Amino acid sequence: RKEVEQDPGPFNVPEGATVAFNCTYSNSASQSFFWYRQDCRKEPKLLMSVYSSGNEDGRFTAQLNRASQYISLLIRDSKLSDSATYLCVVTGMDSSYKLIFGSGTRLLVRP
Amino acid sequence: EAQVTQNPRYLITVTGKKLTVTCSQNMNHEYMSWYRQDPGLGLRQIYYSMNVEVTDKGDVPEGYKVSRKEKRNFPLILESPSPNQTSLYFCASSLSYGTAKSGANVLTFGAGSRLTVL
Repeated sequence: RKEVEQDPGPFNVPEGATVAFNCTYSNSASQSFFWYRQDCRKEPKLLMSVYSSGNEDGRFTAQLNRASQYISLLIRDSKLSDSATYLCVVTGMDSSYKLIFGSGTRLLVRP
Repeated sequence: EAQVTQNPRYLITVTGKKLTVTCSQNMNHEYMSWYRQDPGLGLRQIYYSMNVEVTDKGDVPEGYKVSRKEKRNFPLILESPSPNQTSLYFCASSLSYGTAKSGANVLTFGAGSRLTVL
């Protein structure tokens, strides 16, 4: 089993739609969780950290479910510019807080 | 501007010809790391460095070397490149490592280096 698993997609949604991605992780001791965004052939950039209580940044909401070991990203009112690959990142299997990247979920927002 | 700079951005080379990809950060970050990204495999860590003169292997270190003589620089060396090292390479840095302190392990990435080995 992969340490971090994501549905590769693509998720193809119309502008204005609400879309949600989940990411499951295998290390119950993971402490840090992030969502990164990666545009085609460019570097990943931090979208948001994921806190235990959940957090929101504009149209983006991240949630953590420790019991089921997954994190989620909800995007409301999708824009064309949201089209990208979303990478789930968690700290890894050992105690060193090594960051493990998921393979990403691709989102396509159509006009 | 706070950034991670890597060069070259694009390189086509031939099997066996030694090459170095440079990486430099201006944020006084302690932690630096190299990743390669291949379709369907996501980002895989090659080597990382927790501080000057401290380096360690990541998940896919074979065929690569690194050094960390100065805090800001972390070059990736391919002594004898082979076609299976054709990939997109990213250098990244973070303030620190090995802590859950909020924000300390957030990675900043360079723009990437696309390497083709013929």
